[in-house]
Amino acid sequence: AQTVTQSQPEMSVQEAETVTLSCTYDTSESDYYLFWYKQPPSRQMILVIRQEAYKQQNATENRFSVNFQKAAKSFSLKISDSQLGDAAMYFCAYRSAEDSNYQLIWGAGTKLIIKP
Amino acid sequence: DTAVSQTPKYLVTQMGNDKSIKCEQNLGHDTMYWYKQDSKKFLKIMFSYNNKELIINETVPNRFSPKSPDKAHLNLHINSLELGDSAVYFCASSPAGGGSYNEQFFGPGTRLTVL
Repeated sequence: AQTVTQSQPEMSVQEAETVTLSCTYDTSESDYYLFWYKQPPSRQMILVIRQEAYKQQNATENRFSVNFQKAAKSFSLKISDSQLGDAAMYFCAYRSAEDSNYQLIWGAGTKLIIKP
Repeated sequence: DTAVSQTPKYLVTQMGNDKSIKCEQNLGHDTMYWYKQDSKKFLKIMFSYNNKELIINETVPNRFSPKSPDKAHLNLHINSLELGDSAVYFCASSPAGGGSYNEQFFGPGTRLTVL
């Protein structure tokens, strides 16, 4: 069974600086998708960025980018120029391309604190 | 314009009561989910429906019963509430198909407190 591990329960960063959140996963599959979701204090879960395993190029969305290392099964999220609004729980998630139920496997989350 | 809505957003009730949480999505999605998020923020899938058919039914006490009257609605009924049921419950939906762009869209969550 696939698992997703986020080894950092909490991270803090100074406003305007860069922070990297780590995520590793375990799978025997070659085709899958990876996601980072953000949950601010409002509770709303919001998709931040996604990556297809067959793509070698790392996904980027404005200040958010990933470092996808397929062989190492690592999918870290880099947030550049951190802003106060980035403060949230961040969840890494995995989905098998072969799962017809489209089930997401979730990490335990990392709480990101932004220091003004 | 709300994509996935849940009612109520907050629910405070006594042990032993029965309560329901409603979820509606206006995105035209085929698949809907219920998640439970505990006090440590861990997300656990409970149920998933695809076109009104139950496709994921994780190990959940049978006091929890989902109902999907149509593919835009997935309600969660909980019987004989216990203290351990206190959590935030999220509804989510996604379109059919397996591509990465078939992300899950989440509702605002329902914070259930059992006293």
